[in-house]
Amino acid sequence: KNQVEQSPQSLIILEGKNCTLQCNYTVSPFSNLRWYKQDTGRGPVSLTIMTFSENTKSNGRYTATLDADTKQSSLHITASQLSDSASYICVVGGLGGGYQKVTFGTGTKLQVIP
Amino acid sequence: DAGVTQSPTHLIKTRGQQVTLRCSPKSGHDTVSWYQQALGQGPQFIFQYYEEEERQRGNFPDRFSGHQFPNYSSELNVNALLLGDSALYLCASSLSGDLGKLFFGSGTQLSVL
Repeated sequence: KNQVEQSPQSLIILEGKNCTLQCNYTVSPFSNLRWYKQDTGRGPVSLTIMTFSENTKSNGRYTATLDADTKQSSLHITASQLSDSASYICVVGGLGGGYQKVTFGTGTKLQVIP
Repeated sequence: DAGVTQSPTHLIKTRGQQVTLRCSPKSGHDTVSWYQQALGQGPQFIFQYYEEEERQRGNFPDRFSGHQFPNYSSELNVNALLLGDSALYLCASSLSGDLGKLFFGSGTQLSVL
């Protein structure tokens, strides 16, 4: 069964500090992995997307890594800001039944405090 | 270039009623997927529409139905609403050849009383 697990479930950090969120998946065959940021009550917004051959992708203060061998990804946030407070969702695209299917993680809720 | 738009943004219904949610995909996208997201949970896949046909479906009862129009916009219908249907309903659009690149709307917050 395709699964995406994220850790930690929630995290509180001080403004200006760095943090790393983890994503482990069992989706096979693998197509791509995407990190989304979701503010409460809003739709997810894409941060990064990586395919099998990519092992790192940056978007400003966000850097995602991918190890396709161990099926792990991380999202590193540098110099956190209050506006980074949100849920971060790892989404893995796989292939099945001739279609590409996506599997969502349950997210990590990040709170940045002053 | 408009992104994915959903309407309405908020909706309050009572048990047993029926509801229709609407979605316009990002310009150029031909595939629309619908998700249900309960508070504190990740999005759960409801179904996906392509070429006006339901192409994939998640583990949702027949009370959940949909439609896609020739202009690629889509509707999600839920009949006989239950309290448990209260959630954020997200629409995501993509190109049929690149379903991993989902663009989400802001969602419709449905409350069933």
